[in-house]
Amino acid sequence: AQTVTQSQPEMSVQEAETVTLSCTYDTSESDYYLFWYKQPPSRQMILVIRQEAYKQQNATENRFSVNFQKAAKSFSLKISDSQLGDAAMYFCAYSRGAQKLVFGQGTRLTINP
Amino acid sequence: DAGVIQSPRHEVTEMGQEVTLRCKPISGHDYLFWYRQTMMRGLELLIYFNNNVPIDDSGMPEDRFSAKMPNASFSTLKIQPSEPRDSAVYFCASSLFGGISYEQYFGPGTRLTVT
Repeated sequence: AQTVTQSQPEMSVQEAETVTLSCTYDTSESDYYLFWYKQPPSRQMILVIRQEAYKQQNATENRFSVNFQKAAKSFSLKISDSQLGDAAMYFCAYSRGAQKLVFGQGTRLTINP
Repeated sequence: DAGVIQSPRHEVTEMGQEVTLRCKPISGHDYLFWYRQTMMRGLELLIYFNNNVPIDDSGMPEDRFSAKMPNASFSTLKIQPSEPRDSAVYFCASSLFGGISYEQYFGPGTRLTVT
C-alpha cells in the first residue's frame, strides 16, 4: 500500500523568508501524481501545487515550488517570500490518477511577523 | 461554478442518533469521494464513486456507515447509530476523469460532533 510521510509536525519561518516542507512517499508504481494541499483554520482544502511523476521538471506556482526526486521518492515544498496568509496546515498527498488521495500527517506552518 | 457543496456545515447529535451528511459535486464530474479527518488518523478515504457506482468502500469503518449516490448530482453519507468516536470533519470531493492531474476539488467539510 502507498504511504506518505511528513516528518515535520510543525515548522515556523519569519515573514518574507523561505521555508521548505518535507514529504516522502512509498510506492511501487511508476505513474502517479503528487500534491500539496493547504488547510487554513477555515478547514477548506486548497490545492497549492501538483506534480505529475512522468514530468522531470519541477512544478512552480508563483511563490511555491517543489523539489521532486523520483528515485528518492521525495517531494518537498518550498515557499518563498513567506506571507502571513501562508500560515496553515500543509498536507502532502499521492494518487494514482482517478483514485483516492493518500495523505501525509500534515505540517503546521507558522509565520512570524 | 459553485464548487462542491456540503450540508450541513456543522452537526451536533447525541449518541445513538442517525446522522446524514450531504454532498453535491461539481457539475460534470464523474468521481465523488468521501474523506474523514480526525486528529488521531488524519485524512483518510471512506468511499468513492465513479458514475454513481461505489468503487472502493474499504475505508468505511463498519456497518454503521453507509453511502449512496442516487444520481450524478447528489450523495449521502449516513451513520446509524452514531457514536462519540465518529466525531470528525467529513469532506466530500469530486473530480473529472482526464482532468488536470485528476485533481480533486474539496467541499468545505461537515464538522460532526457526537455527544
